[in-house]
Amino acid sequence: SQQGEEDPQALSIQEGENATMNCSYKTSINNLQWYRQNSGRGLVHLILIRSNEREKHSGRLRVTLDTSKKSSSLLITASRAADTASYFCATETDKLIFGTGTRLQVFP
Amino acid sequence: EADIYQTPRYLVIGTGKKITLECSQTMGHDKMYWYQQDPGMELHLIHYSYGVNSTEKGDLSSESTVSRIRTEHFPLTLESARPSHTSQYLCASSEPQPTNEKLFFGSGTQLSVL
Repeated sequence: SQQGEEDPQALSIQEGENATMNCSYKTSINNLQWYRQNSGRGLVHLILIRSNEREKHSGRLRVTLDTSKKSSSLLITASRAADTASYFCATETDKLIFGTGTRLQVFP
Repeated sequence: EADIYQTPRYLVIGTGKKITLECSQTMGHDKMYWYQQDPGMELHLIHYSYGVNSTEKGDLSSESTVSRIRTEHFPLTLESARPSHTSQYLCASSEPQPTNEKLFFGSGTQLSVL
């Protein structure tokens, strides 16, 4: 069964708005990572949050982790058209397992 | 940009052909992976390697095979391609640490079997 599931499956917003994506998982993890994928390309690592961390920032990205609820969120602030991509969470146990992804579209 | 390269970028072939998808990295990473991804779907791990002469099957059953004769090279082979093999294949590598590893991905090979 899928370890990580994300919602929403798809999200459309205007430039300047914030985008929030959520990831839920089932088992205890070592860390949770977020990746970005432009259409038809490979994934690019965005940010890693360890299981003993609750919040992490990187530029316009803010990630939270709630291990009691087995969930994480990725917030992109002041979105830009160039942020249009699919975003995947990945949970690490003995291996890295990817979620189902959220397709984000940012309209100019 | 990650120093991991996949060729070809796109491949369209007929049923029954033998194909090899190439993946090379210049970062000296011991761990390498192959993922299969259908359009708009999640990634499925099909093969991984922890170093030279080490290969393991992933979570998704695959008719493909891999080899790891050199650290930098991790090719994937399909002996007889079928339309069901049509998918995107992504190669990745990671630094040699037990946990908190982040993956570096190639640009992928989009395979279409007619």
